Amino acid sequence: QVQLVESGGGVVQPGRSLRLSCAASGFTFSSYGMHWVRQAPGKGLEWVAVIWYDGSNKYYADSVKGRFTISRDNSKNTLYLQMNSLRAEDTAVYYCARGSTAPNAQPPEVWGQGTMVTVSS
Amino acid sequence: SYELTQPPSVSVSPGQTARITCSGDALPKQYVYWYQQKPGQAPVVVIYKDSERPSGFPERFSGSSSGTTVTLTISGVQAEDEADYYCQSADSSGTLGVFGGGTKLTVL
Repeated sequence: QVQLVESGGGVVQPGRSLRLSCAASGFTFSSYGMHWVRQAPGKGLEWVAVIWYDGSNKYYADSVKGRFTISRDNSKNTLYLQMNSLRAEDTAVYYCARGSTAPNAQPPEVWGQGTMVTVSS
Repeated sequence: SYELTQPPSVSVSPGQTARITCSGDALPKQYVYWYQQKPGQAPVVVIYKDSERPSGFPERFSGSSSGTTVTLTISGVQAEDEADYYCQSADSSGTLGVFGGGTKLTVL
C-alpha cells in the first residue's frame, strides 16, 4: 500500500540547520509531485513547499522562502526538506504528502504520519 | 498573499446536517480538497477535487462548489465525526498551496 514515512526531526537550536527525509513506497514516486506541510502545536495546517514530479520546479511559502529547500531523489524514492536558519516559529510537526501527477500544486491525497521539529535553545 | 476563509467552529447535534464553507477568489479555477484531522493524528482526505469521495469513506460526507465558495456537508452527523476540518487549494497560478484556517466541528 501507499506509504510515506518521515524522519529527521528533533530538537535544534535557533539558527542551526536540519534535514528531513520522507521515504515513499507502494507507488511510482517519480510520477508524483510532493509537498511538505507543517503544523505548529495547537495551530492549523500550513503549506510549506511543493516539488514537481521530476524536480524541475519548486515553490515555497513566503514564511520559508530563502531558508528551506525542497528536493527529491527519484532513484531512492525519497523526498527531502533542508531547513536552514531555523527559528522558534518553525517548531511544528512536518508532514510529507503525495501531490498530483500534473505539474501543479494540486493538494495531496496521501499523507505521512509526520516528524516533530522543535527549535529551542 | 492568497487566503482561504473557513468558519472557526460549527456545532450540530447527532443526526443533524453540518455544513462547513471555504471561500477564496481562485476557487472557480482550482480544486479544493477537504481533510479531517483528529487529535494526535495526521490529516485524512474526506473529499477531493471539490466533490469526489475516497473509496470506503462514509457516504454522509459530500462536497459542492458555487463560485468562490465550496462546502463540505456531513449529513446525519455522528459523534465520531467530531474533528478539525481543513480545506486546501492552490493559488490562481496553480503553483502555491494554501490552507483554510480550519473549522472545529463539535457534535453536541
